[in-house]
Amino acid sequence: GQQVMQIPQYQHVQEGEDFTTYCNSSTTLSNIQWYKQRPGGHPVFLIQLVKSGEVKKQKRLTFQFGEAKKNSSLHITATQTTDVGTYFCAGQGAGSYQLTFGKGTKLSVIP
Amino acid sequence: GAVVSQHPSRVICKSGTSVKIECRSLDFQATTMFWYRQFPKQSLMLMATSNEGSKATYEQGVEKDKFLINHASLTLSTLTVTSAHPEDSSFYICSARDPSGPPRDEKLFFGSGTQLSVL
Repeated sequence: GQQVMQIPQYQHVQEGEDFTTYCNSSTTLSNIQWYKQRPGGHPVFLIQLVKSGEVKKQKRLTFQFGEAKKNSSLHITATQTTDVGTYFCAGQGAGSYQLTFGKGTKLSVIP
Repeated sequence: GAVVSQHPSRVICKSGTSVKIECRSLDFQATTMFWYRQFPKQSLMLMATSNEGSKATYEQGVEKDKFLINHASLTLSTLTVTSAHPEDSSFYICSARDPSGPPRDEKLFFGSGTQLSVL
């Protein structure tokens, strides 16, 4: 079945440093989504990428979808303490309604 | 955005009892809802897909007789953990898509989750 690998599992950064998490799918995706889960909370949708090579920005967050539609990344510039949480990617295969989640990257920001 | 309400948020029960978790779409109709399980520091594992008016589709390795899913209306799906045991202790979370959203919009709206502790 479809697998989505996400690295790193944990990332500790000083406030102000950049952060990147990477996802790689075993199969070509129709779209990839990113979610953020704060400690004790539930996943909240951040963005969906659909097109090959797509790049989207949300303030300090930059999301990329690979040309082959099998990998994606989330980059946060100049992290803040409010960025703390676990970031999940979730891939949807072609013709499927299911999302397969990566294991997530837990971001800790040291003030 | 669309809202998915999940109750209870936390439940503690004795081993052998059954626990029902409700998931409601508050401002949209959801023909399909998804039930996930999340262990501490781990990812969301899809347990089953709940289909309104028909049987749920369970993922491999998930016991359908243990995790009963009922999707009796377009706004309510329930997950019942039957004869719960300590190993069933976990964070259970439901999600749904808003079918009235933009075309090709596949994002999920999650409930707030239920932390189940079985003593």
